[in-house]
Amino acid sequence: AQKVTQAQTEISVVEKEDVTLDCVYETRDTTYYLFWYKQPPSGELVFLIRRNSFDEQNEISGRYSWNFQKSTSSFNFTITASQVVDSAVYFCALPPGGYNKLIFGAGTRLAVHP
Amino acid sequence: DTGVSQDPRHKITKRGQNVTFRCDPISEHNRLYWYRQTLGQGPEFLTYFQNEAQLEKSRLLSDRFSAERPKGSFSTLEIQRTEQGDSAMYLCASSSGGASDTQYFGPGTRLTVL
Repeated sequence: AQKVTQAQTEISVVEKEDVTLDCVYETRDTTYYLFWYKQPPSGELVFLIRRNSFDEQNEISGRYSWNFQKSTSSFNFTITASQVVDSAVYFCALPPGGYNKLIFGAGTRLAVHP
Repeated sequence: DTGVSQDPRHKITKRGQNVTFRCDPISEHNRLYWYRQTLGQGPEFLTYFQNEAQLEKSRLLSDRFSAERPKGSFSTLEIQRTEQGDSAMYLCASSSGGASDTQYFGPGTRLTVL
């Protein structure tokens, strides 16, 4: 079965701390993509990253970085030097091969306090 | 590009009433998706269009739900005889290209059924 698990329901940190959000997935597909989205209080899902399973190199974008490990079926997301504006719910998602939809995890709510 | 827009942003209705939501995708995106998100959960796929053709429907889409995308541009999602369990955020997304291309989401329509 295709499944995305985000075991951390809520994380609370103080500004400038580093924080890692975990994502573990299950898929039957040999080639697949993984996504992260951010949902701020306004409700709109904001695209953060799309990774192909062929590319296991870590990705860095400013304060954001992603660690993709096929061996453990994980695609973790780290925010370095967190800021209050990072407070949001973060979702990891997987499109099952051949299907035109995304399967989302339950999300991790991140609260960054000043 | 202008992003995905949805109208209305909020809708409050009484049980038994019909409601209709509209989604305008990013121009030239041929794929359009509807998702439903309940409190504390990730979005769940409802249905998907490629141009004007509705190609996939989730079992979540009961007979009371109908979606259309006339002329392959905007889409509407209608819920007939609303029930309290229909209260949720209804999200629309669009994408171009293949099945695993990035989906860009609109701000959502929050439905409250009293």
